[in-house]
Amino acid sequence: DQQVKQNSPSLSVQEGRISILNCDYTNSMFDYFLWYKKYPAEGPTFLISISSIKDKNEDGRFTVFLNKSAKHLSLHIVPSQPGDSAVYFCAASASRGAQKLVFGQGTRLTINP
Amino acid sequence: DTAVSQTPKYLVTQMGNDKSIKCEQNLGHDTMYWYKQDSKKFLKIMFSYNNKELIINETVPNRFSPKSPDKAHLNLHINSLELGDSAVYFCASSQQGARLPDGYTFGSGTRLTVV
Repeated sequence: DQQVKQNSPSLSVQEGRISILNCDYTNSMFDYFLWYKKYPAEGPTFLISISSIKDKNEDGRFTVFLNKSAKHLSLHIVPSQPGDSAVYFCAASASRGAQKLVFGQGTRLTINP
Repeated sequence: DTAVSQTPKYLVTQMGNDKSIKCEQNLGHDTMYWYKQDSKKFLKIMFSYNNKELIINETVPNRFSPKSPDKAHLNLHINSLELGDSAVYFCASSQQGARLPDGYTFGSGTRLTVV
């Protein structure tokens, strides 16, 4: 039972345009959401996060939107750059219980020049 | 200089063998994790140790045994390897109590291939 899902395995976007990556979750106990970025042969690195008390968090070119009623979050990258080409993982945690992250399966983003 | 280091990076072995993957972190974190990235690409938690104490033990075959000699090290030993154990294994560390993502740092992964 996958509690966090990223239904698009891949996404291709033109350089300079907006990239939108989507993530859905099922567990209503999740209250903190994160996006990680992963390059080949490297571990995931933290990109941006959002608490369930917010519906938007922005950091430079990256914005994460949270829709709690739909149990959906998205990552917007504007403008997209070639260096953004990577696999993006959505992750979630619940404040109760042991600290752990539940990850989606990732979306491979390719930025075309 | 690497914050979380795993060895080896690649491991190819035959079914039935026993192997270990080592992980070390120099961040001063008190919590370490093992995650497995399966064939469907999901990253799933296997174990978590806090100050050498096991705090998370997901449904993992008992052929997998974590060992934490100190809070900077968390090794993963796998007995009687099976084809289905082929995956990428990631070690990570964090500071317990620190609100995520303040301390969740991953190693670069170990690609295990069982033949």
